[in-house]
Amino acid sequence: QVQLVQSGAEVKKPGASVKVSCKASGYTFTGYYMHWVRQAPGQGLEWMGWINPNSGGTNYAQKFQGRVTMTRDTSISTAYMELSRLRSDDTAVYYCARDLVPYSSGYYGEDYWGQGTLVTVSS
Amino acid sequence: QSVLTQPPSASGTPGQRVTISCSGSSSNIGSNYVYWYQQLPGTAPKLLIYRNNQRPSGVPDRFSGSKSGTSASLAISGLRSEDEADYYCAAWDDSLSGPAVVFGGGTKLTVL
Repeated sequence: QVQLVQSGAEVKKPGASVKVSCKASGYTFTGYYMHWVRQAPGQGLEWMGWINPNSGGTNYAQKFQGRVTMTRDTSISTAYMELSRLRSDDTAVYYCARDLVPYSSGYYGEDYWGQGTLVTVSS
Repeated sequence: QSVLTQPPSASGTPGQRVTISCSGSSSNIGSNYVYWYQQLPGTAPKLLIYRNNQRPSGVPDRFSGSKSGTSASLAISGLRSEDEADYYCAAWDDSLSGPAVVFGGGTKLTVL
């Protein structure tokens, strides 16, 4: 069965970077875009971007351009999201989520989600 | 401030039919598909509706989606206590300021 397992909670100081991993299993990792979505405490969902695990190509939300880097390691079916220059308002649960449609080139919804990784930014 | 606008709350009694609205613009809902997610407390979101009105396998047919112009709706019929959750709409946005997936602010559904 499809599973996305994320790395554990992180506590970071303002200005630092955080790298969250998302290990996929149960399907062809390179066949589906992987999205990253975050949710601040008590707030709604915010899309950060996607990575095409096959090519490594990325598409970042403008808000995060210059601060976010999405990468993947196809040998271990794992996607990564690194966010730099952290601020207190980056405190959130970060989710990876698989796109619904294989070999797509757009957004078709996210059908499988990781369990979420809480990143806390505090001095 | 979310790009897509949803009412912050909705409620209904068991067995009732409830609808949740989602309003956008020509650059998102008006020209792209709408998606709906259900988020139970403390869990990751779950895809309920894709491509405006399609249900993934395993989603009960009590859930239905529709779209007209720059607005969309999620309807839940035969309301159950386990439907109490947050619901989010989403769409691709072709905005010149940077294409992106945009979400509504979420609607908290209470089953009375």
